[in-house]
Amino acid sequence: AQSVTQLGSHVSVSEGALVLLRCNYSSSVPPYLFWYVQYPNQGLQLLLKYTSAATLVKGINGFEAEFKKSETSFHLTKPSAHMSDAAEYFCAVTSAGTGFQKLVFGTGTRLLVSP
Amino acid sequence: SAVISQKPSRDICQRGTSLTIQCQVDSQVTMMFWYRQQPGQSLTLIATANQGSEATYESGFVIDKFPISRPNLTFSTLTVSNMSPEDSSIYLCSATGQWEEAFFGQGTRLTVV
Repeated sequence: AQSVTQLGSHVSVSEGALVLLRCNYSSSVPPYLFWYVQYPNQGLQLLLKYTSAATLVKGINGFEAEFKKSETSFHLTKPSAHMSDAAEYFCAVTSAGTGFQKLVFGTGTRLLVSP
Repeated sequence: SAVISQKPSRDICQRGTSLTIQCQVDSQVTMMFWYRQQPGQSLTLIATANQGSEATYESGFVIDKFPISRPNLTFSTLTVSNMSPEDSSIYLCSATGQWEEAFFGQGTRLTVV
């Protein structure tokens, strides 16, 4: 079985500060990992994905994440937060063996950005 | 990429009634899924919508409560039957294809009163 743990239901940063959202996974097979963002009253938008290629993955809006197998982590970072980054962020895991079926989501982290 | 349209975007329904949510994808996809996002919580997979056959339900979800249809490669419906206030959630349609990622619709925000 696969699972994802997101540490911190809420993260608050000031505009211009570093954003760090934590995600740890559990998987008995090589995982595929995703970060999605959900803005208020909207669906999910893919930020970035790790699918066994480069371990440092760059996504949209200046976000990036690093896959660390030894730490079973896939933390999301952005060097400088913008007010528009305020949203809910979800980490998710699946595997190639399932054909990208059955994404398992973490509980989400709400990012708050203050001026 | 794929664009997924869901209808309705939101609805307020009386308990005991049923609501059918439609999901339309702008390109042929391999798999379609339905998720539920309860207030303040993460997404939980309800079922995989199989083309031309019965959906595959996850533990805790049953066909009588959440009947699903998928008549072709680009369209699916989810019905929430005999609704109660506990069914108040956001319901999201998702699809995967030849891409290594899942796309999501905007979601249907359901309130049962």
